[in-house]
Formats: sequence, structure tokens, C-alpha cells
Amino acid sequence: EDKVVQSPLSLVVHEGDTVTLNCSYEVTNFRSLLWYKQEKKAPTFLFMLTSSGIEKKSGRLSSILDKKELFSILNITATQTGDSAVYLCAVEPSNTDKLIFGTGTRLQVFP
Amino acid sequence: ETGVTQTPRHLVMGMTNKKSLKCEQHLGHNAMYWYKQSAKKPLELMFVYSLEERVENNSVPSRFSPECPNSSHLFLHLHTLQPEDSALYLCASSQYHDGSTGELFFGEGSRLTVL
Repeated sequence: EDKVVQSPLSLVVHEGDTVTLNCSYEVTNFRSLLWYKQEKKAPTFLFMLTSSGIEKKSGRLSSILDKKELFSILNITATQTGDSAVYLCAVEPSNTDKLIFGTGTRLQVFP
Repeated sequence: ETGVTQTPRHLVMGMTNKKSLKCEQHLGHNAMYWYKQSAKKPLELMFVYSLEERVENNSVPSRFSPECPNSSHLFLHLHTLQPEDSALYLCASSQYHDGSTGELFFGEGSRLTVL
């Protein structure tokens, strides 16, 4: 059965810290991996990764995919209180239009 | 309005009621989705409409009935729900292309409580 596992489940840090969120997956046919940020209600798109070893970067956030080891990491440097959210990882298999989501990592950043 | 809008934002209903959730997307996308988000569980895809055709999802109980009258509007009709159906229902849209969902744009969600 296809599945996505995120770790840790929750994380509490202070402003300025650097955090690494993990996403491992098992899918029969991999097409892409996506990261979303969910602050209150609507998840918002962060990154889509399809190729192994190529880092996607947006400001203080960056992500990389390892297709051999079947995982991705999301890094956030110099965290701010506005980074507090649930970060969702999803994988899209190539043989279906059904995204498979992990349960998310809840990040809390305190001043 | 921009993006994906959902109404109502909150809904409380009894198990014998009939209600509907509404979703509208202003992004020109060709696919719309209903997701269910329960506490401590992954987002669960309920229904997909791609190019206004519904992709069957046999795991969703028949008390949930989707309707997609055009590419911009999506409804979820609810009847005789159970308390375990209480959850956040998220609508999303995307530009479906070459068999790929692509980037999903989510609405703010409808928080449903079934008494």
C-alpha cells in the first residue's frame, strides 16, 4: 500500500533556530513530491520536487528529494513565529491522480 | 474574488439533516477536488472531477454526494451523516495535465460538526 510518513510529528523551537522536517514514502510508481504549509485552514503550496538531488529554494525555505532512499527534507533557516504551521508532504504516483498525504509535522516557533 | 472559496465556513447539523457544501474556483483550472481532514489523520481524497467528469471513489460512503455543474463550481451534498463525519472538508482545484494533478490550490475549508 502506498504511504507517506512524516517526522517528527511536532516540533517546538525558538526564533532563529534551523529546522529540518522529514518525509519518507513508499509508492509503486513515483511522479512527484509536494510540500504544503497549513497555518489555519487552507494548505498553501511550497514546493514540487520531481528530480533527485536538485534543491528547490524559496527564501529561508529549501527542499531536496532523494529518489534512491525515498525521502525528502524541508529545511527552514532562521525560523520566525510566522513559520508556525503544519507542514504537509504529499506524493503523487504516476499511475493515479490521487495525491497521498502524510499526517504532517506541526511546527511551533516561539519568540 | 480570487482563488478558491468555500461556503459555509462552519456547519453544524443533525444526523437527519440534509445540507450542502459549496466550492467555487476563480483560477481557470480544469479539475476540482474534495478532501476530508480529520484530527491526526492524513488529508483524505474523497472525489475528483477532472474536465467535469467524476473519478469514482468507491471508498466514500453514499451519504456524501458530489456535484460538479461546471468547471468552476463543486458541491458536496450531505445527508444522514454520522458523528464520525465531523471534520474539515477542503475543496481544491488544479490544472490537471497529462495525467498529473499538479499544484493544488485549496479553499479555506468548511468545518462540519455532526451532532
